[in-house]
Amino acid sequence: DIVMTQSPLSLSVTPGEPASISCRSSQSLLHSNGYKYLGWYLQKPGQSPQLLIYLGSNRAAGVPDRFSGSGSGTDFTLKISRVEAEDVGVYFCIQTLQTPTFGQGTRLEIK
Amino acid sequence: QVHLVQSGAEVKKAGASVKVSCKASGYSFTTFPIHWVRQAPGQSFEWVGWMNPGNGNTRYSQNFQGRVIFTRDTSANTAYMELSSLRSGDTAVYYCARYFANDESFDFWGQGTQLIVSS
Repeated sequence: DIVMTQSPLSLSVTPGEPASISCRSSQSLLHSNGYKYLGWYLQKPGQSPQLLIYLGSNRAAGVPDRFSGSGSGTDFTLKISRVEAEDVGVYFCIQTLQTPTFGQGTRLEIK
Repeated sequence: QVHLVQSGAEVKKAGASVKVSCKASGYSFTTFPIHWVRQAPGQSFEWVGWMNPGNGNTRYSQNFQGRVIFTRDTSANTAYMELSSLRSGDTAVYYCARYFANDESFDFWGQGTQLIVSS
């Protein structure tokens, strides 16, 4: 299975400041079709996960443009340009190139 | 709008079985795969498997092979996961999630079903 490694595991950010989360995969997530099979999700407290970014860099419907995703075949980054209070929760990455595997999650809290 | 509504929390004895449902609404149930994942306390997620509601085809994680069965009732737009020979390590929240192939992502999730397995 592809191993997904996130860092940091926790993050404390002042509102209005940027935040960045890294996700590394043990194998390239670049499909032969040119797409990177990596998604970013947010699980807010007491809620189910919600999709933020798909195929490495595409914002899901309704996701604010302060969220952005980027990355190469094995190194991916989720950036929040200006953190807001509603962004608290656990962020995790999921690869779907092969049997889905998940990052450990990054807990974001507000300072 | 799309909704996946799961059945309620379960408490089971070790060795028993549990059946969790996932009722879909707001889209064509047979068009999108349904995946099942679980999240044990304090841990990340683990993939259990997936089912094609259109034809009933399934694929299970090796970690659950022989203990899990996915079924569906297309007339009720509902998917089911049955897990047998329960052990304490199966204590987790189980989620169903719709897979949107165009985006290769899980675009909608159920609210989760808490399973507690006691010895």
